[in-house]
Amino acid sequence: QVQLVQSGAEVKKPGASVKVSCKASGYTFTNYGIIWVRQAPGQGLEWMGWISTYTGNTNFAQKLQGRVTMTTDTSTNTAYMELKSLRSDDTAVYYCARASSAWFDPWGQGTLVTVSS
Amino acid sequence: QSALTQPASVSGSPGQSITISCTGTSSDVGGYNFVSWYQQHPGKAPKLMIYDVTNRPSGVSNRFSGSKSGNTASLTISGLQAEDEAHYYCTSYTSSSTVDGVFVFGAGTKVTVL
Repeated sequence: QVQLVQSGAEVKKPGASVKVSCKASGYTFTNYGIIWVRQAPGQGLEWMGWISTYTGNTNFAQKLQGRVTMTTDTSTNTAYMELKSLRSDDTAVYYCARASSAWFDPWGQGTLVTVSS
Repeated sequence: QSALTQPASVSGSPGQSITISCTGTSSDVGGYNFVSWYQQHPGKAPKLMIYDVTNRPSGVSNRFSGSKSGNTASLTISGLQAEDEAHYYCTSYTSSSTVDGVFVFGAGTKVTVL
């Protein structure tokens, strides 16, 4: 079945970087994009950006420009999201999801990133 | 502040129908048929329930339906069941230059089954 499996929870200090992986299976990886969405504790969903797994083209939320990098490895069907210069308000569950035009399905299980000194 | 406006909460009794609204602008909801809806239970990942305004993915109950009128999209749950208690989020493609990103989410609606 189509599945996205993300890497495990991370605890980081302010100013550090985190890299979250998202391994896809059950479909042709390069036929769909990957989006990244985060959810702060008790809050709603925030769109972070999108990457084309076919071309590598990306589109990020402006507020994250300069701090976020999205990449893919088509040899392992894995997408990566790296966020740098972490702040306390980056504490959230980070989700990847398969993207087809304007809908996202399925989603990974989520990765909790905690930023704390 | 979310670009799409949803009611904070909606409730109904088992068997009843409820409707969740999602109001945007002509730059998002009103301008494109790219509205989708996601269900999220506590501690779980979101699940696609409706895409492209009215389409239901295979495996999603036909008790869930979507529609749109002008700048407002709606998700209707008929025959409400206890398992429908969750948060529901709408999202839309946006071409607005004042919105950060190309997709925007609503703030979410908590559905309570009484």
